[in-house]
Amino acid sequence: ILNVEQSPQSLHVQEGDSTNFTCSFPSSNFYALHWYRWETAKSPEALFVMTLNGDEKKKGRISATLNTKEGYSYLYIKGSQPEDSATYLCASSRGSARQLTFGSGTQLTVLP
Amino acid sequence: EAEVAQSPRYKITEKSQAVAFWCDPISGHATLYWYRQILGQGPELLVQFQDESVVDDSQLPKDRFSAERLKGVDSTLKIQPAELGDSAMYLCASRLTGDNSPLHFGNGTRLTVT
Repeated sequence: ILNVEQSPQSLHVQEGDSTNFTCSFPSSNFYALHWYRWETAKSPEALFVMTLNGDEKKKGRISATLNTKEGYSYLYIKGSQPEDSATYLCASSRGSARQLTFGSGTQLTVLP
Repeated sequence: EAEVAQSPRYKITEKSQAVAFWCDPISGHATLYWYRQILGQGPELLVQFQDESVVDDSQLPKDRFSAERLKGVDSTLKIQPAELGDSAMYLCASRLTGDNSPLHFGNGTRLTVT
């Protein structure tokens, strides 16, 4: 994988459902993996910054895991609420330049 | 909580005109970024500043785009002349020095070129 890829592109779930998305990134020269939530008409908001293989972070009902050896991260939302509706972006940094490369995002819609 | 300020929020301009965007990062944040996000794609880095110096502008179309951060605080991104393909969301972000800190984004400027 040369680019950061996110799947699915969009997702509709019912309120109360749990869901998860995938972020795939180049595993070579990996430095850090970021997750952001971007609600309509607002600015992207940082959720997690992860660096260690096997790392798992949690913020309320949202959690993320990281596998740097195979180059993927999962974002989980437990008991989705309508206010979770947003685009979720991941970004990886690698190499000496450590520039962040963003994926195209997963657009989540939680239906009441 | 401190925020990254951007203006204008929306801009409509005709092709071949000049347009400028302004960004004021969170106080104390030495690193400032300008990203462009085309609908359906992820944000793409245009330029990165460390204080007043450009660290990376490899993806900035320098024939028409320019960016400056003269005093190492606020920053301006300019396009001259604007083209139809420049229609996008322009996001400014800042962060504390340190590669593991998250980016703090502004609300962005939605540019439409007609």
